[in-house]
Amino acid sequence: KAGVTQTPRYLIKTRGQQVTLSCSPISGHRSVSWYQQTPGQGLQFLFEYFSETQRNKGNFPGRFSGRQFSNSRSEMNVSTLELGDSALYLCASSLGGQAYEQYFGPGTRLTVT
Amino acid sequence: QKEVEQNSGPLSVPEGAIASLNCTYSDRGSQSFFWYRQYSGKSPELIMFIYSNGDKEDGRFTAQLNKASQYVSLLIRDSQPSDSATYLCAVTNYGGSQGNLIFGKGTKLSVKP
Repeated sequence: KAGVTQTPRYLIKTRGQQVTLSCSPISGHRSVSWYQQTPGQGLQFLFEYFSETQRNKGNFPGRFSGRQFSNSRSEMNVSTLELGDSALYLCASSLGGQAYEQYFGPGTRLTVT
Repeated sequence: QKEVEQNSGPLSVPEGAIASLNCTYSDRGSQSFFWYRQYSGKSPELIMFIYSNGDKEDGRFTAQLNKASQYVSLLIRDSQPSDSATYLCAVTNYGGSQGNLIFGKGTKLSVKP
């Protein structure tokens, strides 16, 4: 079974631009969660989608948004990029329901200059 | 503020020894506990999860949970140089299926040949 895939793997953007990242979950998984990982803050939860609905949201500004499609694929968007948004963005999928185990994709490395 | 604390390390053990990794959490409502392994430059990989008090063994790995003490640990028996990585503890307090993992900042393990 294929794992979680994320595209693109690497991105370089300029401050003020916006960016869209994509995540395809493991087949059959309906929940997709997004995390930001930085050396200083570690892994921090952004939001979770289940059946096209945002079910939970972390403590990030409104510049960070996401959505999920009917095939469970998810995108996250960051508008008006800031230097501090440089990070590894990870998505993780799980079955949902009573299964809490999450499996991570390879991540998208975003650099904001 | 819900927190997960881990000793950042590095924890250095000789090959063949038992590595003991520890994690404490602040939210008594936490219900599910996970250990992820992250190699440098890679995404986190789920290696163990535990939901009930006591021990859970999987190969060379044993997870131990003590909810009264709000403590979870990971033992790695017969440590190998390939076990050298950062180990992340994560917890969630949702009885349902909402995907919001709270991560510690990880313990860096080094296994010396």
